[in-house]
This record gives sequence, C-alpha cells and structure tokens, in this order.
Amino acid sequence: QVQLQESGPGLMKPSETLSLTCTVSGDSISGYYWSWIRQPPGKGLEWIGYIYYSGSTDYNPSLRSRVTISVDMSKNQFSLRLSSVTAADTAVYYCARVFCSGGTCYSKLWYFDLWGRGTLVTVSS
Amino acid sequence: DIQMTQSPSSVSASVGDRVTITCRASQGISSWLAWYQQKPGKAPKLLMYAASSLQSGVPSRFSGSGSGTDFTLTISSLQPEDFATYYCQQANSFPYTFGQGTKLEIK
Repeated sequence: QVQLQESGPGLMKPSETLSLTCTVSGDSISGYYWSWIRQPPGKGLEWIGYIYYSGSTDYNPSLRSRVTISVDMSKNQFSLRLSSVTAADTAVYYCARVFCSGGTCYSKLWYFDLWGRGTLVTVSS
Repeated sequence: DIQMTQSPSSVSASVGDRVTITCRASQGISSWLAWYQQKPGKAPKLLMYAASSLQSGVPSRFSGSGSGTDFTLTISSLQPEDFATYYCQQANSFPYTFGQGTKLEIK
C-alpha cells in the first residue's frame, strides 16, 4: 500500500524559509509526477507545483518566485521550499501523487489520486 | 488562471436524498475536471476524473457529467458517510485550480 507522509516544522516566523519533505513508502518515487498542494485553515485548495522523478518541475505562477521543489531518489522523498513566508502562507500542506494515463500524462492533464495526511504550518511572529 | 465556481456553497440533505452539486469554469476545459471529497481533518479523496469517470473503489451512487464550462456531481442516494465538503478541480491547464468547495450537511 503506497503511503505519503509530510514532515517539517509546524511553527515558523515571518521571512523564514519553509522546508517540508514528503516520504513515499510502498512504491518507488520513480515513474511518477508528484505535487504539493496547500489549504489555508477553513479555505479551499491551492496547487503549488510539481516535480517529476527526473527532476523537471513547474510551479504556480503566484508562488514561482518563492518556491523550489526537489527530489531525492535515494531516500524516496521529494521536498518543498518556500522562502520569505508570511501569515498568508499559514496552511495545511499536502503532498500528492499525480494521476494520469497515457497521453494525458504528457499533456499534463492531471489529477491527484493519493495524498498525504497533511501538515499544518503556522507562520506567526 | 481558470476560475472554478461551485454552487451551492452549502447544502443540507437527508440520508437517502439525491443531491447535485454544480461547478462552473471561467473558460472551457473540455472534460478535464475532477471531483474530490474531503472530511474534517482529512486529505481530499479523488472521486471522479475526466468529468464522468469513477475512480476505483468509489461507490456507484456517485456520478459526474458535463463538458466545456458546466459540470455536475450527483450523489443518487445519500449515505451517512457522504456528509463532507466537495471540491472540483480543473486539469485543463496550469495552474490547476479548485472550486471553493460545497459543504454537504445533514438536515
């Protein structure tokens, strides 16, 4: 059974850099696309970006200047870094596996079929 | 970005009722739409994809339809475990965007 688990600090101060890791168990990280998605308390979902096991990435333009997603094949993990955080970055952060098939993978017509439990990150001075 | 608007924002219904939730895209997205169910404190769960395809393991009382800009999720006979918040997501183009959610409550 494939599982995703987010880890990282729960409390941060404004201007710090958020670092989260998603550990994938039960399957190899290779061959899949992976994403980060966040949800401010009581609000909707926001897609942050994706990474392919090969290292290719793309990000939501609203966050692109502050976001980096990386992969560590040896640890079966991928990570999120978000710089210069503010209170607006307070959210539950989820890692997720991209769901696609055949040509829809290449065309980036993607959904998300497997999610971690999420980790709450609070930004407060 | 493509804006996704769900209606209603909340709905009250009883066990056994038929419920329909609507999602509208700000521009055409063909059939590249998913529906998710989220329960309090839990991650979203993929229910439907490609507008009308049922994800593996999801009960057949869930169905989806639509194309272009207007989509619906229908639950044919509500069960106690269906009371949750539902989100639509467009997969047509980056950045992927979600609706604001529809909270399904027990009447």
